[in-house]
Parts: sequence; structure tokens; C-alpha cells
Amino acid sequence: TQLLEQSPQFLSIQEGENLTVYCNSSSVFSSLQWYRQEPGEGPVLLVTVVTGGEVKKLKRLTFQFGDARKDSSLHITAAQPGDTGLYLCAGHPYQTGANNLFFGTGTRLTVIP
Amino acid sequence: GAGVSQSPSNKVTEKGKDVELRCDPISGHTALYWYRQSLGQGLEFLIYFQGNSAPDKSGLPSDRFSAERTGGSVSTLTIQRTQQEDSAVYLCASSFIRTGGLETQYFGPGTRLLVL
Repeated sequence: TQLLEQSPQFLSIQEGENLTVYCNSSSVFSSLQWYRQEPGEGPVLLVTVVTGGEVKKLKRLTFQFGDARKDSSLHITAAQPGDTGLYLCAGHPYQTGANNLFFGTGTRLTVIP
Repeated sequence: GAGVSQSPSNKVTEKGKDVELRCDPISGHTALYWYRQSLGQGLEFLIYFQGNSAPDKSGLPSDRFSAERTGGSVSTLTIQRTQQEDSAVYLCASSFIRTGGLETQYFGPGTRLLVL
């Protein structure tokens, strides 16, 4: 079973459209991170959210951490072909003592020009 | 550049052979992580090194997998008697000391392993 479930798994949209990607869990996280991975490359960190209810903006990308710290969303406004990639959420759950990040299942976004 | 580097970038091997994958972390980073990524999927944690502490091997899928980190820098992931299900991209990441999920992990480009 996956600790972090992302939806949708695949998303194909036209340039200029808006989209939202969701990252959900039944566990509480001390923080959540979002990464973007392009083909042939490793993931690159986009943002870290640490406070329940927190909203962070990065140009056309808006990230939100749920009040209960169990979920997060990524909203992209006016998507561009350069946004194409695999979006991954990741976090450290409370009370596991784990040293590693738990990664979500990923959302593969394709923005069609 | 000063990023994380991995070698080889691609590796094709026959079932039953041993393979070694190398990771050069960013200079000064004390933490090093190995992950496995199956085709188009999320990342699966394998092993974590932090300074001179004993590594966290809790993610290694079997005793065929092992890893070393020499001198607190370069790391080698070894897979013995490879199986077809070992085919995946193996990613290495490094960071400054872990701070409860707030650290930024910098990933290498990965090694694509194909076991025939």
C-alpha cells in the first residue's frame, strides 16, 4: 500500500488550461514536498510546505498543505508546454522515525501546445 | 558541475550477473540516499547514509542488494545475481544533515538498469 496517493495518475491538457494535482494520505506529515521530474533526469524540488493550511506560490504554481497535514494540492494556472513532467509529492510522516522521504505515486502531466 | 553525478548512465546486464552503480554526491553533503524508480512510477527508498552513523538499510528489498559509502563521500550500490525485476532507474540523492523533512535532496540523473 502507498502512503501517499496522487491523482490523477495521468493528465493531458491544452496549453493555457488550469489544472490541479492532489496528494492524499491517511497519515499525518510533518512536512510535504513537491518535486518535478523530466525524462532522463532526477526529481527537482519545487517547494516544501510545513504548516497546516499553508499556501505557497511559485509563479504560476500554487501549493497548499491541508489543515490536518494529511494532504496537499498543486494548482497550475495557464499551463505551458514547459510544465510537462512527472510531479511527485513526498514527505516525512510523524511517528515513523524514518530517515527517508516517502514518495507519492506520481502524476504525469503533458501540456499540448 | 557541482551536482550529484551517477555512473553508468545506462547498464544492460544478463540475469544472474552482479552490477555496481556509483554515486558522487555534492561536496559537503553529509546525507546520501539511494532510491529505485520503476517505469514512470514514484520513488522507492532503498538506503540512507548520514555521516559516520550506521546506514539505514530498511528499504533494501533483499540481501542481494548492498551499498557502501567510502570516506563519507562516494557511494556504491551493488546488486548481486540480478533478476529481471531489478530493472529500474536507480537514483541517488544527497543533502546536508537531515532536518526533519526540511532538507533539500538533490538528485542525480539516475542509472537505468536493464536486466535481460
